[in-house]
Amino acid sequence: EPEVTQTPSHQVTQMGQEVILRCVPISNHLYFYWYRQILGQKVEFLVSFYNNEISEKSEIFDDQFSVERPDGSNFTLKIRSTKLEDSAMYFCASSRAVVGYTFGSGTRLTVV
Amino acid sequence: KNEVEQSPQNLTAQEGEFITINCSYSVGISALHWLQQHPGGGIVSLFMLSSGKKKHGRLIATINIQEKHSSLHITASHPRDSAVYICAVRNTDKLIFGTGTRLQVFP
Repeated sequence: EPEVTQTPSHQVTQMGQEVILRCVPISNHLYFYWYRQILGQKVEFLVSFYNNEISEKSEIFDDQFSVERPDGSNFTLKIRSTKLEDSAMYFCASSRAVVGYTFGSGTRLTVV
Repeated sequence: KNEVEQSPQNLTAQEGEFITINCSYSVGISALHWLQQHPGGGIVSLFMLSSGKKKHGRLIATINIQEKHSSLHITASHPRDSAVYICAVRNTDKLIFGTGTRLQVFP
């Protein structure tokens, strides 16, 4: 069964450093998403991406965050200057419009 | 007030019991998802519903659009069903998540 692949599975970074989280969505999916889950809390929407542009973003997704689909297969989330409160599990997901919402296994980001 | 509410927050059951988890939502939706999250953190999609009822093995999901309510049922529960079960509604492109129901099934 097709999978959404995320790398790395765990990343530790120092506060103020830039991090890039990587995702390979399912090949025939058209919509791409990033979500995050702070430990002990519910999953929160960050951003959706369609047709090479952001289609929707949450209040969390401020100027420190950016997304890119650089080569037609990868989908990346960049955090420019990490803060302690960015520590969370980050999930990538992809879908074909109404059907087929599939999550990756997540990247656990720890900011120290 | 949360847009997606789940109950109960925690649920303990003996193996073999019938389990029901409830979800209510207050926003317009195009679909409702039931998801499973294991301790390692990964999220697995169980069902996507826009109306009626779906069944997969021992799992049954129902939705009542008029009442803005969905239920997930597990028949003949087993310890391997122990996980967090999450209701999420599709609103525009994004999913809005509930806080999850932590289920523990004991032998």
